[in-house]
Amino acid sequence: AQSVAQPEDQVNVAEGNPLTVKCTYSVSGNPYLFWYVQYPNRGLQFLLKYITGDNLVKGSYGFEAEFNKSQTSFHLKKPSALVSDSALYFCAVRAPTDSWGKLQFGAGTQVVVTP
Amino acid sequence: IAGITQAPTSQILAAGRRMTLRCTQDMRHNAMYWYRQDLGLGLRLIHYSNTAGTTGKGEVPDGYSVSRANTDDFPLTLASAVPSQTSVYFCASRGQGADGYTFGSGTRLTVV
Repeated sequence: AQSVAQPEDQVNVAEGNPLTVKCTYSVSGNPYLFWYVQYPNRGLQFLLKYITGDNLVKGSYGFEAEFNKSQTSFHLKKPSALVSDSALYFCAVRAPTDSWGKLQFGAGTQVVVTP
Repeated sequence: IAGITQAPTSQILAAGRRMTLRCTQDMRHNAMYWYRQDLGLGLRLIHYSNTAGTTGKGEVPDGYSVSRANTDDFPLTLASAVPSQTSVYFCASRGQGADGYTFGSGTRLTVV
C-alpha cells in the first residue's frame, strides 16, 4: 500500500524568501506524484504532477517540485513566496499498478507567508 | 455546470438521521471518488467507482454507502449519521489517463 508523509504541520516564511514544503512517499514501482493547494473554505486546486520524464516539474503560480527517487521525495518549492501563497498544501501519490486510480494524500502542510 | 457539482454546500445533521451527499460531473469521467478531510489527517478515501455499476471501498468506508447508476452521478449516503462523521467531504473524478483529477468544492457536514 502506498503512503505519503508531510513532516511539517506548518511552514512559516517571509514574503520574498524561498518556500519549501516537504513530501516523502512509499509506493511500489514508479510513483505518480501530485501537489494540490487548498485556500480557506475552498476545494483542492491542482498545482503540478510527476508521472514520468524530467525530475524537475514546473507547475502553476511559479511552483516547482523535484522528484528524487533515491530519497523517495517530491518537495514543493517556490523561489520567492508571496503572501497570497498562504494556504494548505497536500502531496498525493498514486501507485502506477492501481487501475482504480486511488490517490493517497499526506496530512497537509499549512504555509504561512508573512509580509 | 462545469466540472463537479456537490450539494449541499454545508449541512447540520442530527445524529441518527440519514443523509445523502450529491455529486454530479459533466465531463463524462469514468472514475469517481469520495474523500473526507479532517484536520491533521488530510484527505482519506471513502469509496470509489471506475464505471457505472461498479464501486469499491476505500480507507474509511464504514458508515457510508455509494451507488453509481450512471456516469455522471455518484451520491454518498450516511445511513445513520454519527458525530465522528463530522467532516468536509470532497467528490473527485478522473478522466482517461493517469493524472486528470478534478475535485468538487466540498460539503461541510456537522453531525450533532
